[in-house]
Amino acid sequence: DVKVTQSSRYLVKRTGEKVFLECVQDMDHENMFWYRQDPGLGLRLIYFSYDVKMKEKGDIPEGYSVSREKKERFSLILESASTNQTSMYLCASRRREGYSGELFFGEGSRLTVL
Amino acid sequence: QKEVEQNSGPLSVPEGAIASLNCTYSDRGSQSFFWYRQYSGKSPELIMSIYSNGDKEDGRFTAQLNKASQYVSLLIRDSQPSDSATYLCAVNKGNQFYFGTGTSLTVIP
Repeated sequence: DVKVTQSSRYLVKRTGEKVFLECVQDMDHENMFWYRQDPGLGLRLIYFSYDVKMKEKGDIPEGYSVSREKKERFSLILESASTNQTSMYLCASRRREGYSGELFFGEGSRLTVL
Repeated sequence: QKEVEQNSGPLSVPEGAIASLNCTYSDRGSQSFFWYRQYSGKSPELIMSIYSNGDKEDGRFTAQLNKASQYVSLLIRDSQPSDSATYLCAVNKGNQFYFGTGTSLTVIP
């Protein structure tokens, strides 16, 4: 079974803190994604990576950065957390473009910024 | 216009009934289509994928795709209380995935 593991299920941080969200997948998938999910807004893409060290901005990249130093790991970084970044963060992976397969999601990280 | 649109519901059906969930999408070049189920506080889990026009059945679930009408649906037969969740429609083209905001389904015992 594909497993996408997010390092933290629940985090509480203070405004201005730096926040790291880690995601690891064990299926050798090339593509990895970070979404945030908010009530009424659905899933919105923050960043995705189609290979090691490669990244592309999604729909809402402002206030976020990412790192993909190894194929299996994709990290989301909030340089200076703000209250409007309180949300559920979902990591996902899939095989490279050209394969019409589904996204596999991690369990999610619920971040609260006070 | 949103890429993917779903009726947000809530949709309520009695136990044992058929639940019908609908989704429309705007990009005619979309290649693959998915239904995810999401329980409250949990992450989405895939329940159906469909790639070509017609019906695809898997147990109590049937996905229907009509590319000419840009329409995807999910039928859940013999609905159970455990089916109560939010159902997300997702549409894929290349590296892009577009999600609807989900339809909330409640199955009443």
